Amino acid sequence: DVKVTQSSRYLVKRTGEKVFLECVQDMDHENMFWYRQDPGLGLRLIYFSYDVKMKEKGDIPEGYSVSREKKERFSLILESASTNQTSMYLCASSRSGGAVYEQYFGPGTRLTVT
Amino acid sequence: GNSVTQMEGPVTLSEEAFLTINCTYTATGYPSLFWYVQYPGEGLQLLLKATKADDKGSNKGFEATYRKETTSFHLEKGSVQVSDSAVYFCALNKGGGADGLTFGKGTHLIIQP
Repeated sequence: DVKVTQSSRYLVKRTGEKVFLECVQDMDHENMFWYRQDPGLGLRLIYFSYDVKMKEKGDIPEGYSVSREKKERFSLILESASTNQTSMYLCASSRSGGAVYEQYFGPGTRLTVT
Repeated sequence: GNSVTQMEGPVTLSEEAFLTINCTYTATGYPSLFWYVQYPGEGLQLLLKATKADDKGSNKGFEATYRKETTSFHLEKGSVQVSDSAVYFCALNKGGGADGLTFGKGTHLIIQP
């Protein structure tokens, strides 16, 4: 089974801190994604990556950056956390190729910024 | 740009009732369409998908048909169970497989015994 793991289920940080959210997948997927999930807004794409060291902005990249140094690992970085970044963060991965492959999601990290 | 609209709920039904969750989309080109389900405390799981017009996706008794003429992908199940209680998300693929998904806001489904 495909497994996508995220480093923490719950995280509490202070305003202005630098925050790292880690995601690891074990199925050799080329594509990886970071979303945030907020009540009434659904999931919104922050960043995605289709290869090592490659990254593309999603719909709401402001205030975030990402890093993909290894194929299996995709990190989301909040350079200076703010209270409006309190949210559930979901990582996903998928295969690449001619077809459209499903995305596999991790369990999520609930981040609270105080 | 691309967008997905779905009924938000909560939708409350009795066990064995018929379920329909409406989903309509706006997209350029020919997107692939998905339904994902999120059980309490868990990440999202793919429920079913359809990649071209008139395709029917099905899984665990759920079905949805890709209707290009009405730009819809409504989720149906003939007889729901308490274990179907979850949040359901309709989504479309923006472009190629490397791109992210565009999600609806989610529909919270509550099934009462």
